[in-house]
Formats: sequence, C-alpha cells, structure tokens
Amino acid sequence: QLQLQESGPGLVKPSETLSLTCTVSGGSVNSNSYFWVWIRQPPGKGLQWIGDVFYSGVTYYNPSLKSRVTMSQDTSKNQFSLNLTSVTAADTAVYFCARRVGGVRYFFDYWGQGALVTVSS
Amino acid sequence: QSALTQPPSASGSPGQSVTITCTGTRSDIGTYDFVSWYQQHPGKAPKLIIHEVTKRPSGVPDRFSGSKSGNTASLTVSGLQAEDEADYHCTSYAGSSNFVFGGGTRLTVL
Repeated sequence: QLQLQESGPGLVKPSETLSLTCTVSGGSVNSNSYFWVWIRQPPGKGLQWIGDVFYSGVTYYNPSLKSRVTMSQDTSKNQFSLNLTSVTAADTAVYFCARRVGGVRYFFDYWGQGALVTVSS
Repeated sequence: QSALTQPPSASGSPGQSVTITCTGTRSDIGTYDFVSWYQQHPGKAPKLIIHEVTKRPSGVPDRFSGSKSGNTASLTVSGLQAEDEADYHCTSYAGSSNFVFGGGTRLTVL
C-alpha cells in the first residue's frame, strides 16, 4: 500500500522560504507512471494545486505560484520536495503531498496526511 | 476565490439522495472529461471517490456517482449514511498541465 508523509517546519517567518519534503513508501518516485504533487488548503478554505514533478525532473506549476515555487525529487531517498519563496500570511495552509496518475488521466489517487505550515513572525 | 464554484453546504436525511454541483467554464469542465471528486473528513486527507467524471475507484460504494453537463459537474450521494458527512471537493483539469479546484461543500447528514 502506497503511503506518503509530509515533513518540514511548522512555522516560517514572512519573506522566508517554506520547505517541505514528502517521503514515499510502498512505491517509487522513480516511476514513469506517476507524477508527484503538492496541494495546499488554507484554513477553512478549498484546495489549491501547487504543482507536479515527474520522475524525469520535469515540473508543472500553478501559474499563480510559478514565480515562487520549485519542486524536485531525490530518488535515492524516495522523496520529493517543495520550496516556496517569499512567503506571506496568505501561504499559511495545510500542505498535502499526493500522487497523480500519469498518461492522459488527471486525478490524485493517494494523499499524505498533510502538514500545517504557519507563516508568522 | 476558487476557480470552480461549489455550494458551501448541502444536507439530507439518512436514506435520502443529495446532489452537489461544481460549476466551471469552457476552459476546464466544459472541455475536459477529467473531473474528480474527493471526500474529506475533518482533520483527514482527501480521499478520491470519483475520477474522470463518472468512474469510481475500487472500494468506493456505488452510492456515489458523478455526472457532467456543459460546464457543470455533479456528485450524487444516494442512500445517505452518517459516515457520508464530510467536505466534498471537485477538481478539473484545465489544460497546460494545470488543475483547478472548487471551494468545497460541507455535507451534513441530518
């Protein structure tokens, strides 16, 4: 059974960089069948897709966040990561990592439990 | 403001049916048959319950069904049960490797 687990600081200061890691077990990030995804949910609000990373390193980002987002993967650790720069209070959210089925199919079939990141001084 | 529009709340009594709508545009729901729905209980991760408009993953009860007409997708929960009380989120592929979500609907079982 595939499992994903987010990790990283729960508190980030304004203007700094938010960094999170997702550790995958029961499957490999080095697979050409799936994309690895970050999605966030501000308190009391809906979900927002942040971006995907493919095993080849190709990335796709939400246009509204593209200038501040970098995603990458570490196949040796079976992890993928998110960096979000110049954060503000509006970036306070629960951040989920997830898996997206590849090919001409567009849905997220496995999710991590989520990590709350608060942006505050 | 979310790209897809969902009602903030919906409700029904046990055994009844409830339909939740998700309205987008010609650029997302209207063009692509890649609408998916997720169930989220408080404090938990979302769970995929419908993908590609109408398909149910293995293990999801057939009480959950999806449909689409024009720019609007719908999720119907039939034979409501207490455990169906949760938030429901819709999402659609929007082209150019982009995804849009709705704001979520809180379903209450009365």
